[in-house]
Amino acid sequence: LAKTTQPISMDSYEGQEVNITCSHNNIATNDYITWYQQFPSQGPRFIIQGYKTKVTNEVASLFIPADRKSSTLSLPRVSLSDTAVYYCLVVISGGYQKVTFGTGTKLQVIP
Amino acid sequence: DGGITQSPKYLFRKEGQNVTLSCEQNLNHDAMYWYRQDPGQGLRLIYYSQIVNDFQKGDIAEGYSVSREKKESFPLTVTSAQKNPTAFYLCASSPGTGNYGYTFGSGTRLTVV
Repeated sequence: LAKTTQPISMDSYEGQEVNITCSHNNIATNDYITWYQQFPSQGPRFIIQGYKTKVTNEVASLFIPADRKSSTLSLPRVSLSDTAVYYCLVVISGGYQKVTFGTGTKLQVIP
Repeated sequence: DGGITQSPKYLFRKEGQNVTLSCEQNLNHDAMYWYRQDPGQGLRLIYYSQIVNDFQKGDIAEGYSVSREKKESFPLTVTSAQKNPTAFYLCASSPGTGNYGYTFGSGTRLTVV
C-alpha cells in the first residue's frame, strides 16, 4: 500500500476555506484516495473518495492532479464543528486490504 | 437505520482478566475490522475478516483474539497476554470489492484498573 504523508496539524479561522494536502508518491494504478474525519471519542467518518481530477460532494472537494502523487482535501467555509482529525488513505480497488490509518491532520478551527 | 453497534461504551478490566468487546453490524457487509487507537495516535489494525469463519492478523494482533461465526458479528477478546490494553477500540465494516468506504462503530474505551 502506498504510504501517505500529511501535515500533523493546521489552524484556521471560521469562515475560511481549508486545504489539507496529502502526499502519496508510490500510488499504484488501481489505488483510490479516500479521506475520513474523526471527532474525539468517535469512530472516523467517510468524507470523500476519488481517483483523478476533482470530486465534490456536500461536505468537501477532493483535487487530484494528473500524476496522482498528491491530493488536496478542500473544506469550504469551515465552522467550529469542523475541528477534527482528517485522515488520508490510499486504498486498492477490487479487494480487501490491511488499511492502516496514520496520525492524520488535526484541524483546529478558531472563532 | 443500518450501522455498527459496539458495546459496551466503557469497560474496566482488572489485570490478568480476559474481556470481550462486542461488534455487530446490520449493513450486510462482508468485511469487518478491529482497530486500536491510543491518545493522540492514529488507528492501528488488530484483526480483520473478509468472510465468515475466516480472519487475518493485522499489525498488532498479539494479545488479542477474534471469531467470525456470523456475518453480522465480530467480537474481539483482549486477553491477559496483552500487556498494555488500555485504549480506544474501534470496529469497522466494509462491503469489500467495488466499494471501499469503511463504516465505523462508536468505539469502546477499555481501561485496566
